Amino acid sequence: AQKITQTQPGMFVQEKEAVTLDCTYDTSDPSYGLFWYKQPSSGEMIFLIYQGSYDQQNATEGRYSLNFQKARKSANLVISASQLGDSAMYFCAMRVGGGSYIPTFGRGTSLIVHP
Amino acid sequence: NAGVTQTPKFRVLKTGQSMTLLCAQDMNHEYMYWYRQDPGMGLRLIHYSVGEGTTAKGEVPDGYNVSRLKKQNFLLGLESAAPSQTSVYFCASSYSDARPYQPQHFGDGTRLSIL
Repeated sequence: AQKITQTQPGMFVQEKEAVTLDCTYDTSDPSYGLFWYKQPSSGEMIFLIYQGSYDQQNATEGRYSLNFQKARKSANLVISASQLGDSAMYFCAMRVGGGSYIPTFGRGTSLIVHP
Repeated sequence: NAGVTQTPKFRVLKTGQSMTLLCAQDMNHEYMYWYRQDPGMGLRLIHYSVGEGTTAKGEVPDGYNVSRLKKQNFLLGLESAAPSQTSVYFCASSYSDARPYQPQHFGDGTRLSIL
């Protein structure tokens, strides 16, 4: 069975600083994809970044980067130069190969950016 | 550029009433999902579909039924609403297991209150 663990229910960061949101995963399948989604207070779910298990380099998308440590089974999201608009819930998710149709989600981390 | 559209956005029901939530996607995605989101619980999968005419149970299917008669539409039904079904409901869709793994695209959610 697959599992995603986000151990930080809430995080605070000062504007313009960097912040790391933790995500660990568990799967025995060698082929999988890891995703981060953002859910602002308005409610919509926004896809941020993707990392494949066979990707050699860590994924980056603008101010978002994914610190992928395969041996430790961690896929932490790093947000550089935090902005007030980054305040939101962040969810880590995983899709596994071999015909598994159901992505697995973590319970989320609430990030608050202080001015 | 509609993506995933959910209707309605808000609804208040009385206990015992029935209703149908509609999800429509225009991205030709094979997979579609219905989630509910409750405070502190993250996203919980209700039902999903891997193609037109197919449906399957997720983590919390009791009290809900679904149908996918057309590839672009996925309907979620509550036959006899209960207060425990008060929640925010999200529909999502994605391509199938092509690699790199594809993210889910979410609708904006339906806020449902059962009195």
